[in-house]
Parts: sequence; C-alpha cells; structure tokens
Amino acid sequence: SYVVTQPPSVSVAPGETARLTCGGDKIGNLRVHWYQQRPAQAPVLVMFYDVVRPSGIPQRFSGSNSGSTATLTISRVEVGDEADYYCQVWEPTTNRGVFGGGTRLTVL
Amino acid sequence: QARLVESGGGVVQPGRSLRLSCAASGFTFSIYGMHWVRQAPGKGLEWVARISYDGKNENYGDSVVGRFSISRDNSRATVYLQMIGLRGEDTAVYYCARDRDGGPLNSWGQGTLVTVSS
Repeated sequence: SYVVTQPPSVSVAPGETARLTCGGDKIGNLRVHWYQQRPAQAPVLVMFYDVVRPSGIPQRFSGSNSGSTATLTISRVEVGDEADYYCQVWEPTTNRGVFGGGTRLTVL
Repeated sequence: QARLVESGGGVVQPGRSLRLSCAASGFTFSIYGMHWVRQAPGKGLEWVARISYDGKNENYGDSVVGRFSISRDNSRATVYLQMIGLRGEDTAVYYCARDRDGGPLNSWGQGTLVTVSS
C-alpha cells in the first residue's frame, strides 16, 4: 500500500517561514491535500489539489508538489498557526485514503 | 453551511459491536462521497472507510476490512459505520467527512469517541 511520510515536528519563530513536507513514491503524480488540526478540534482543510487554498485560508499558506515531495509552506508564521498538519492522498489503484503521520508545527 | 454530527460512540467490551451514525445537514448529501476517519489517543489520522454518493461502492482500510461496514441512507442524510469484533486498537475518536468526486475531505464532524475496554 502507498505510504506518505512527514517529519514529526517543525519549529519556527513568529514571522519566519515554515515548510512542511510530505514524501511519497512519485507523489508528484498524485493530488495532495493538507489538513490542520488544532488540539481537541476536528481537522480543517487548508490546501487541496496541491496548490488550492479553500476560502478563509490566508494567502500566507501555499502548496507545491513535484517528484517525491509535496510541501505546504506557511509564510510569516503566527502563533495561531501552531497545530498538527497532515497530508493526504488517494491511493492510485484502490481509492483508499492515505494520511501522513502528521507534523506538529511549533511556533517558538 | 455543511454540518456533520456523529453519534453512537461509547465504551464497549472487546469483541462486541457498535454502530456509529453521522447526520448531515446544510448541503445536498446525496451527491457527496462520505468517509470515516479515526484518531487513536495521541496518534495521527487514519482513514477507515469510504462510501460513494449512491452507496454502490465501498472501500476500507486494511485494519478494519472484514470487521467494519459503511452504509448510507440518502433519504435520512445519514452515513453509518457498523463495527463488529471490536479490539482495543479500535479505541479512537471517529470522524465522518465528505468529499466530492474523489477530492479532498472538505467538511468534517466533531467526532465521537469509541473506547474498547473490558
């Protein structure tokens, strides 16, 4: 089955840029979706089809996907961005969902 | 505005069964695929099951295939997850979520906690 890999944690200072990665075999050929989950809350979609921001998500959030790595970039990081971030794809042959293990973004 | 409300969670003994429900409102339920995603305490998200908009196609994660069954009633705008042979490792918050045409999970419920314990 398809596997996607995320680093467990990323730390940045307020105002800096956070780059959250999601690795997988030829993941550039798949469409990647990203979810933000704050403590004790349900996940919220923050990026879909690699590069599309849902309404209400700040322009500071951007996405890319190429080769074996998809990236969610958060510019001018704020304390309120502190959360767990999960990438997700649909497995090509089975249509089953696959989540990465999640990255905890800490804003120092 | 889309709303998904899960119910049916609780404490259940190992080996027993439980059925979760997810009531939808605020959108045309019958055109959306529906999913269950779970999260064990302190762990990440795990995709569990999907049912197509018309109920004709289902997919399951490896850890639940043969034990869990997803179904839907479009007349009631409700999706269900029937769980049998529950194990300790099934302890988790169970979320329902929707997708359109194989896209992202763009709306989630608040989840219902299932605890499998003797």
